[in-house]
Amino acid sequence: AQRVTQPEKLLSVFKGAPVELKCNYSYSGSPELFWYVQYSRQRLQLLLRHISRESIKGFTADLNKGETSFHLKKPFAQEEDSAMYYCALSGKYGNKLVFGAGTILRVKS
Amino acid sequence: GAVVSQHPSRVICKSGTSVKIECRSLDFQATTMFWYRQFPKQSLMLMATSNEGSKATYEQGVEKDKFLINHASLTLSTLTVTSAHPEDSSFYICSAHPSGGPYNEQFFGPGTRLTVL
Repeated sequence: AQRVTQPEKLLSVFKGAPVELKCNYSYSGSPELFWYVQYSRQRLQLLLRHISRESIKGFTADLNKGETSFHLKKPFAQEEDSAMYYCALSGKYGNKLVFGAGTILRVKS
Repeated sequence: GAVVSQHPSRVICKSGTSVKIECRSLDFQATTMFWYRQFPKQSLMLMATSNEGSKATYEQGVEKDKFLINHASLTLSTLTVTSAHPEDSSFYICSAHPSGGPYNEQFFGPGTRLTVL
């Protein structure tokens, strides 16, 4: 069964501190992994996808197939990073997304 | 570009009535649209996949006669909650997959808050 687990409901850090939002997945096959972000009163939007191997707004995420993880990282958190973050997966040739429960990131000044 | 709108943004209705929610892709065509439901402080749960010109595909446990989906054009999908009850109160979000775009690319609407009294 496809499953995405985000163990932390809330992560609170100080500005300038490193951030790591955890995501583990369960999928029999080769999934594609994504991070979506939802800022306050805004719609859900794509932050990054593992196949792009790019850094967006200073965030990176590496797919670790051995640990079935796709943790989101940023070396220095900024206040504007405060938002809800969702990890999601889709099958290699499918178009459905399975979302994790989400993690609220709060960056304190 | 790639904007998805939903209408209405908020609706309150009486128990037993039906409510229609529209999802539109404003600047692109979408062969496929998705409908999600989100409970407070919980994740998005996929309800159904809406395919233009064909029947929607519902996820397990979602009543197709309760949640009617119509995708009559490449820019519009509608979700009708029939005979709504208080337990149907939720936040409904749609997303649209651009025709010809990467197969798992989705752009999300702002959501519709449904409250059934």
